Amino acid sequence: DAKTTQPPSMDCAEGRAANLPCNHSTISGNEYVYWYRQIHSQGPQYIIHGLKNNETNEMASLIITEDRKSSTLILPHATLRDTAVYYCIVGPRGYQKVTFGIGTKLQVIP
Amino acid sequence: ETGVTQTPRHLVMGMTNKKSLKCEQHLGHNAMYWYKQSAKKPLELMFVYSLEERVENNSVPSRFSPECPNSSHLFLHLHTLQPEDSALYLCASSQESVRGGIDEQFFGPGTRLTVL
Repeated sequence: DAKTTQPPSMDCAEGRAANLPCNHSTISGNEYVYWYRQIHSQGPQYIIHGLKNNETNEMASLIITEDRKSSTLILPHATLRDTAVYYCIVGPRGYQKVTFGIGTKLQVIP
Repeated sequence: ETGVTQTPRHLVMGMTNKKSLKCEQHLGHNAMYWYKQSAKKPLELMFVYSLEERVENNSVPSRFSPECPNSSHLFLHLHTLQPEDSALYLCASSQESVRGGIDEQFFGPGTRLTVL
């Protein structure tokens, strides 16, 4: 499975857009990009996933580069409740074995 | 609320005790998972059950014994644990279609286990 690289931590001002990058240069053609987040002491929460087109839902937007070697998760108006560890994962659909890395710890600052 | 519940939420046990963790999903999913999250470490997948059959066992010590009596319930039986087994144990579920393909896993809140 493709590996991902994320910055260990980021800060974002409340109300501003949080842009979380993820590199996945070894991604293969059938692998999707998934994002989860984990708020302190809770279970991870699914956010969004995509293959090659940009995706948007009520929580976030996912921008995948044309070569699919990197992606960015965008939280359009970060709130204090968005403070969490964000995980970028790649794998084929039907992928039971989700491997979580260290993720990016996002701190939203008042 | 994710539709996945876990009990107990906190558990303290001695190394000679036997205890069980319970997970229940109310989503009609057909796959369930156990993960372990130790302090400052990534989540580690322990077991995967699909259609009530174990399909993944990631070299987990035998002192952890999973049980999946039906598609809605998953147990993790614990015996003679070590202090290093203290961690957050998370259960998750997902829907696997007959054509293959899942989109996301839904996680429970976890059981915080302390082994003395």
